[in-house]
Amino acid sequence: DGGITQSPKYLFRKEGQNVTLSCEQNLNHDAMYWYRQDPGQGLRLIYYSQIVNDFQKGDIAEGYSVSREKKESFPLTVTSAQKNPTAFYLCASSTQRARSNNEQFFGPGTRLTVL
Amino acid sequence: QQQVKQSPQSLIVQKGGISIINCAYENTAFDYFPWYQQFPGKGPALLIAIRPDVSEKKEGRFTISFNKSAKQFSLHIMDSQPGDSATYFCAASMGYSSASKIIFGSGTRLSIRP
Repeated sequence: DGGITQSPKYLFRKEGQNVTLSCEQNLNHDAMYWYRQDPGQGLRLIYYSQIVNDFQKGDIAEGYSVSREKKESFPLTVTSAQKNPTAFYLCASSTQRARSNNEQFFGPGTRLTVL
Repeated sequence: QQQVKQSPQSLIVQKGGISIINCAYENTAFDYFPWYQQFPGKGPALLIAIRPDVSEKKEGRFTISFNKSAKQFSLHIMDSQPGDSATYFCAASMGYSSASKIIFGSGTRLSIRP
């Protein structure tokens, strides 16, 4: 059963703590993405990776870090430098093939709340 | 120039009616325009997509109308049903190549009244 999994579904963090959100895919996709979703603001790109051991900053990368050591995994760390981390975080993946539809497949999301 | 503007922010439609969501873009390099549907607490899923070489694409009750000269595109949901209640995002990308970023609109929360 192919797809994208994110864990945990809900995460609570105290101020000043770093937390890591997990994203795993078994779709054999080369590209992976992290988005942040806030009410009324749509999806904003945090980081993306087109290949293992390489990643680029998106529009709101400050206060976040990622790694891409394996094709299947793209964890996101929310650091204490992120001033307003409470949000719904979505991971996605897509193929890297030329002339593909470029459809992004999304995971179920992680809701992070800072206490 | 990278923005995709979406309206309305929220929409209420009677069951059986037509739901219409509009989007506009500036970057003429965009060549792939998908619509995503998101139910509460879930990740978005691709609903329907269009390329600028056609003016309309229909899949069941869902139709995208595309106006290249006006740089606008819209989603029409015919015979709207309560199960269509969700948030809809339009998007654009230079996607007909290797993987690239997708620029999302701000979303429309659609509610279908029974």
